[in-house]
Amino acid sequence: GDSVTQMEGPVTLSEEAFLTINCTYTATGYPSLFWYVQYPGEGLQLLLKATKADDKGSNKGFEATYRKETTSFHLEKGSVQVSDSAVYFCALSDWETSGSRLTFGEGTQLTVNP
Amino acid sequence: DVKVTQSSRYLVKRTGEKVFLECVQDMDHENMFWYRQDPGLGLRLIYFSYDVKMKEKGDIPEGYSVSREKKERFSLILESASTNQTSMYLCASRVVGGATDTQYFGPGTRLTVL
Repeated sequence: GDSVTQMEGPVTLSEEAFLTINCTYTATGYPSLFWYVQYPGEGLQLLLKATKADDKGSNKGFEATYRKETTSFHLEKGSVQVSDSAVYFCALSDWETSGSRLTFGEGTQLTVNP
Repeated sequence: DVKVTQSSRYLVKRTGEKVFLECVQDMDHENMFWYRQDPGLGLRLIYFSYDVKMKEKGDIPEGYSVSREKKERFSLILESASTNQTSMYLCASRVVGGATDTQYFGPGTRLTVL
């Protein structure tokens, strides 16, 4: 079945540092890929997405590129801020195998210190 | 903006009580979901629904049931609450496919069963 593997956390960075959170996936079809963010005490919200190979999703300074050859969708940001502290979830949608369900990774806790 | 609302942010119940968690979305989405979120376990799908009166079991349906009598409302029912159901419960709705494919989450209900 489909699966998503994220790098283990927690991740702690200083403000203005470069961020990478790794995400790899296994899917039998042609999935869409998503990054969701969960700020403390809130539900998840969509950060960015990509629907086909080589697409780049971007939002709020975050980027991720859909790499079919390496089955990856790594999240990057050039300069993190304290306000980026949150839990980040990678997810995939594969209509052929899972219908409307999303498959989520375990989540990666990011803490950014001033 | 799409809004997914949940009836309570915090709820405290006693073992054996019947508990209702309500979720309402305002965007006419066909697909709705209930998850629970626990530290170290990520998001786990309890039940989902792709249409009125339709429901599908997720990964951990035991001890739960759902009801979807109207398109905008999806209720999660704990028939007899137990302490191991203490958790954060997240509702979501989704429009599937195309550029607007996004799953929207509510703010969550933190349930404590004593």
